[in-house]
Amino acid sequence: DTEVTQTPKHLVMGMTNKKSLKCEQHMGHRAMYWYKQKAKKPPELMFVYSYEKLSINESVPSRFSPECPNSSLLNLHLHALQPEDSALYLCASSRSTDTSQAQYFGPGTRLTVL
Amino acid sequence: GESVGLHLPTLSVQEGDNSIINCAYSNSASDYFIWYKQESGKGPQFIIDIRSNMDKRQGQRVTVLLNKTVKHLSLQIAATQPGDSAVYFCAENTYGQNFVFGPGTRLSVLP
Repeated sequence: DTEVTQTPKHLVMGMTNKKSLKCEQHMGHRAMYWYKQKAKKPPELMFVYSYEKLSINESVPSRFSPECPNSSLLNLHLHALQPEDSALYLCASSRSTDTSQAQYFGPGTRLTVL
Repeated sequence: GESVGLHLPTLSVQEGDNSIINCAYSNSASDYFIWYKQESGKGPQFIIDIRSNMDKRQGQRVTVLLNKTVKHLSLQIAATQPGDSAVYFCAENTYGQNFVFGPGTRLSVLP
């Protein structure tokens, strides 16, 4: 089973709203990732969690706040977003970050900021 | 044929033909590579991977070739089907670093 699930599938929010994206995997993976993908572009890495600790933050604005409550769950809290933040947000997981490992992606959350 | 323009490069093939999607990677130290398939509105789906100690790896209807000399990766799809229509990304990884994704190629299967 290589399934990563994400909710919600679609999200529309105003610039003053607070919302959260959720990601879950039950493969026993200890590394989880958030990516942002704009139309016709490859995914761009935002955050990496390794063993539930934030290990990489790719200079992402503070209006995006990640959280890893346990080894299976990853959240992305959103606050005061801008219209240019509209994109597909992808979660991925891999066994670890210790060695090169395959990353498996979820279906994504399509976010629209009005 | 293949076209590269202002938008995503597109490869158009006839149903039943073989497809070859190419990727030039940037880091000669990269030691692990993945091909992903992304259908419209979905997340990238893992297709096949290869490590730098191999030149070729085969899966079901897919083959990945790695030429480290010229830093080139290719994905061959045999007997291309309409369900193969998607955007294909290559991703390279160097131990301890993040994956770097290629720009993607759109495969369009013609009836």
